[in-house]
Amino acid sequence: QKEVEQDPGPLSVPEGAIVSLNCTYSNSAFQYFMWYRQYSRKGPELLMYTYSSGNKEDGRFTAQVDKSSKYISLFIRDSQPSDSATYLCAMSPLNAGKSTFGDGTTLTVKP
Amino acid sequence: GAVVSQHPSWVICKSGTSVKIECRSLDFQATTMFWYRQFPKQSLMLMATSNEGSKATYEQGVEKDKFLINHASLTLSTLTVTSAHPEDSSFYICSARTVKDEKLFFGSGTQLSVL
Repeated sequence: QKEVEQDPGPLSVPEGAIVSLNCTYSNSAFQYFMWYRQYSRKGPELLMYTYSSGNKEDGRFTAQVDKSSKYISLFIRDSQPSDSATYLCAMSPLNAGKSTFGDGTTLTVKP
Repeated sequence: GAVVSQHPSWVICKSGTSVKIECRSLDFQATTMFWYRQFPKQSLMLMATSNEGSKATYEQGVEKDKFLINHASLTLSTLTVTSAHPEDSSFYICSARTVKDEKLFFGSGTQLSVL
């Protein structure tokens, strides 16, 4: 079993829709939680970073962490065609351990 | 966010030659950098962890003599693919972790094509 499982997708939504991207994990040592957006043939771009349970909002993006359920989500409001990309969740333990990535969910937002 | 510069963005080389890829953290110091390989429509595959001033730690199955990693300063790590062969053709990406809050920032990637 993988340490991090990400909803595989692909996901296709109409412009303006609310998108929910999800990951579960099994390692209780994970304390830092990140979401990255990756366009084709580009390096991943850090979207959200959090280390506590609860919600963190940044513009149209909300990251949600539930440590008791070992579940994290990224919500995108008012989705735009420019949001079409692959989204990766990532987690790392305290004390500078290496990050573990989900396999990614490819999102297409249709105009 | 912090900036990580990766060069070159693409390279084509002949089989048997060596290729060096540079990864620089432009506005922060990174004691730890990571190197990944990514195949089309697949996730990142960690190859090695590079710590400044010490030998890199390679993931299982990654040939350390083939993929030479040097992290000589707090802002620069290099990956050299030695005696490259067509099966080494891939997208290589580096990342650097900030010391302050342990965020991970990525370079823009290097597409290597070995003929």
